[in-house]
Amino acid sequence: KAGVTQTPRYLIKTRGQQVTLSCSPISGHRSVSWYQQTPGQGLQFLFEYFSETQRNKGNFPGRFSGRQFSNSRSEMNVSTLELGDSALYLCASMGTDTQYFGPGTRLTVL
Amino acid sequence: GQQLNQSPQSMFIQEGEDVSMNCTSSSIFNTWLWYKQDPGEGPVLLIALYKAGELTSNGRLTAQFGITRKDSFLNISASIPSDVGIYFCAGRASGTYKYIFGTGTRLKVLA
Repeated sequence: KAGVTQTPRYLIKTRGQQVTLSCSPISGHRSVSWYQQTPGQGLQFLFEYFSETQRNKGNFPGRFSGRQFSNSRSEMNVSTLELGDSALYLCASMGTDTQYFGPGTRLTVL
Repeated sequence: GQQLNQSPQSMFIQEGEDVSMNCTSSSIFNTWLWYKQDPGEGPVLLIALYKAGELTSNGRLTAQFGITRKDSFLNISASIPSDVGIYFCAGRASGTYKYIFGTGTRLKVLA
């Protein structure tokens, strides 16, 4: 069974731009969660989608948004990028009880 | 955001030594997960625990679900250099779909 895939793996953007990251969960998994990881803040939960509906949301500004498609693939979008948005963005796919992570997208904002 | 207390924060050990780390919560959880993360990569699931008191092994790794359901422990026996990395715990409460993560234990193994 293929694991969680994320694209792109690396991204460089400048302040004020927007970015879209993509995640394909493990086949059969309907829940996708997104996390931001920075050295200072650790793993911070962004949001979780299940069957195309946002089921949980973390404490991030409205510039961070996401969606999920009928095939369970998910995208997250960050608008008006700030320097502090530089981070590793991780997507996780959940089956019944267990969560598996993708390799992450490293976003650098200049 | 909410995070679990994980200790120690970091540790240096000699190759061949055993390692112990733990995670505590103020809430009761019904699932505990343990992950290892290498630099620049996503966390890899090591062990999943679903029942209070449960003891589960994966090779040289053993994890336990605390009987109070508010803590979990991970032991690594006979450490080797490739055990280097950051270990995270994650817990989930009954009726919720969101995992809460620990702050991580950074392990460095001296050959």
